[in-house]
Amino acid sequence: ETGVTQTPRHLVMGMTNKKSLKCEQHLGHNAMYWYKQSAKKPLELMFVYNFKEQTENNSVPSRFSPECPNSSHLFLHLHTLQPEDSALYLCASGHNEQFFGPGTRLTVL
Amino acid sequence: RKEVEQDPGPFNVPEGATVAFNCTYSNSASQSFFWYRQDCRKEPKLLMSVYSSGNEDGRFTAQLNRASQYISLLIRDSKLSDSATYLCVVSDDAGNMLTFGGGTRLMVKP
Repeated sequence: ETGVTQTPRHLVMGMTNKKSLKCEQHLGHNAMYWYKQSAKKPLELMFVYNFKEQTENNSVPSRFSPECPNSSHLFLHLHTLQPEDSALYLCASGHNEQFFGPGTRLTVL
Repeated sequence: RKEVEQDPGPFNVPEGATVAFNCTYSNSASQSFFWYRQDCRKEPKLLMSVYSSGNEDGRFTAQLNRASQYISLLIRDSKLSDSATYLCVVSDDAGNMLTFGGGTRLMVKP
């Protein structure tokens, strides 16, 4: 149904682990985004990529490192996360009207 | 002050009822406005864009008041399947920076 896919759907990691989240969009959009959704808080924009270039970093800690190798793929590399980083991480693509992937539910132990 | 403010609810209404949600935004330079719907443990999905002249899509009517920085969503003849969280969203002039409200939860009861 959705043109935006994300893997993995669920991830449990320790604070010393390194993992990566992957997003792929099949909609031909040139802009892609990472959002964080924590319980009882509004969706927070983390990063914006336009034509593979990062155009926005919304004061995100360096333990989150995005990568955009092409307009269809977006990664979020994670290392030395904290338990408070546990959340739903959503990828989106589009301009104005954005289309979201199903998200990765991350738990940091 | 929150950039996009919504009453979190929940709004508990019977089937067939009419329900209205309101939203206020703080950035007067905001250019585009949307309502998204998010079901429990699912991703947000665009419900409708909001235009200055007001717009309607079936049972859903959205209105924008730029002077008051206020957006509304009216749902007529509520269905059980309308139960969800409704997110008010505003965009900057570049169209990339979406700011989300905290959402209003609607529960439609039989």
